[in-house]
Amino acid sequence: DQQVKQNSPSLSVQEGRISILNCDYTNSMFDYFLWYKKYPAEGPTFLISISSIKDKNEDGRFTVFLNKSAKHLSLHIVPSQPGDSAVYFCAASGRSNYQLIWGAGTKLIIKP
Amino acid sequence: EAGVAQSPRYKIIEKRQSVAFWCNPISGHATLYWYQQILGQGPKLLIQFQNNGVVDDSQLPKDRFSAERLKGVDSTLKIQPAKLEDSAVYLCASSLLKDTQYFGPGTRLTVL
Repeated sequence: DQQVKQNSPSLSVQEGRISILNCDYTNSMFDYFLWYKKYPAEGPTFLISISSIKDKNEDGRFTVFLNKSAKHLSLHIVPSQPGDSAVYFCAASGRSNYQLIWGAGTKLIIKP
Repeated sequence: EAGVAQSPRYKIIEKRQSVAFWCNPISGHATLYWYQQILGQGPKLLIQFQNNGVVDDSQLPKDRFSAERLKGVDSTLKIQPAKLEDSAVYLCASSLLKDTQYFGPGTRLTVL
């Protein structure tokens, strides 16, 4: 039972364009959502988060949007840079225990 | 600030052998997590410690996996005996209580 789903295993985007990574969740008790970025042979690195009381959070080139009614969030990267090529994981937690439930990841490839 | 340290980085063993992984969290982080990440999947929480007490080990296969965090700092995760399906990356993360999790580089285990 996958509570957090990233349906696109990979995404290829031209350098300078917008990258949009999507994540869907099923558990309505989730109230905190995070995106992590992972390079090969390294552990995941925290990128950006959003609380369920907001619908948007922005940090430089990275913006996360949350649509609670659709149980959907997305990460926008503008403009995309070669260093953004990595695997991006969506994770969610709830009020009960703050444990993270992770999606399977989306591999983002930025083409020069 | 030093990050989360893990060793070894890579380990190859035969099935039925034993293996141990070590993690040193960020100084001052009370909460420590061990995750298992199988190729193509997101990290799965095995065990969570707060200081030297276990908060959640519901997904730890206790017949073969064990973990300890003596003195509330370093932690070790052991597998005895290993099975083929234990081949994965084992990630250690730490956080200040229920804050953002910071990950180590992981240990890639191959069981032959």
